[in-house]
Amino acid sequence: DGGITQSPKYLFRKEGQNVTLSCEQNLNHDAMYWYRQDPGQGLRLIYYSQIVNDFQKGDIAEGYSVSREKKESFPLTVTSAQKNPTAFYLCASSIDGGGSEKLFFGSGTQLSVL
Amino acid sequence: GESVGLHLPTLSVQEGDNSIINCAYSNSASDYFIWYKQESGKGPQFIIDIRSNMDKRQGQRVTVLLNKTVKHLSLQIAATQPGDSAVYFCAEADDFGNEKLTFGTGTRLTIIP
Repeated sequence: DGGITQSPKYLFRKEGQNVTLSCEQNLNHDAMYWYRQDPGQGLRLIYYSQIVNDFQKGDIAEGYSVSREKKESFPLTVTSAQKNPTAFYLCASSIDGGGSEKLFFGSGTQLSVL
Repeated sequence: GESVGLHLPTLSVQEGDNSIINCAYSNSASDYFIWYKQESGKGPQFIIDIRSNMDKRQGQRVTVLLNKTVKHLSLQIAATQPGDSAVYFCAEADDFGNEKLTFGTGTRLTIIP
């Protein structure tokens, strides 16, 4: 079954702690993305990567970091600098990230602050 | 800045009726539009997309209409079913400017049995 797997489904962060959200895809897509979704709002782009070992900031990158060491994996770290991390985080991929193409989404991770 | 918006945040429709969800966009250079369906606690699922060289595109029970003159996009769902209850998002991109999809805030569709 091809697709995007996000884990964990639910995650809790203590104050001052960094947490990492996992995203793996077996679609052989070049591009991967992280979005943040707050209640009643649309999706906002955090980071994206069009190729291994390269990534770009999206609209709300402050307080987050990413890596792209493998084509299949694009983990997102929510650092202690992110003061309002509670949100639903969505990982997505697309064929080459070249522009107008559809995104395939994972099932999301709900992050909450303890 | 450019934005994508929806006319109505909520919509309730009787089961079996047709639903129309509207979306306005402000970037006149947008040339790709897409609709997603998101059920509670899940990731968005692709429904249908359309490029700016088309006015209409049909899928299974869904039709997307694009009016470039007034920068308006709509999603029509025929013979709605309980499983159609979800939040629907439109998104847009343009190949020569903001290549990444910009999402609207979503419309919650509720199907009344």
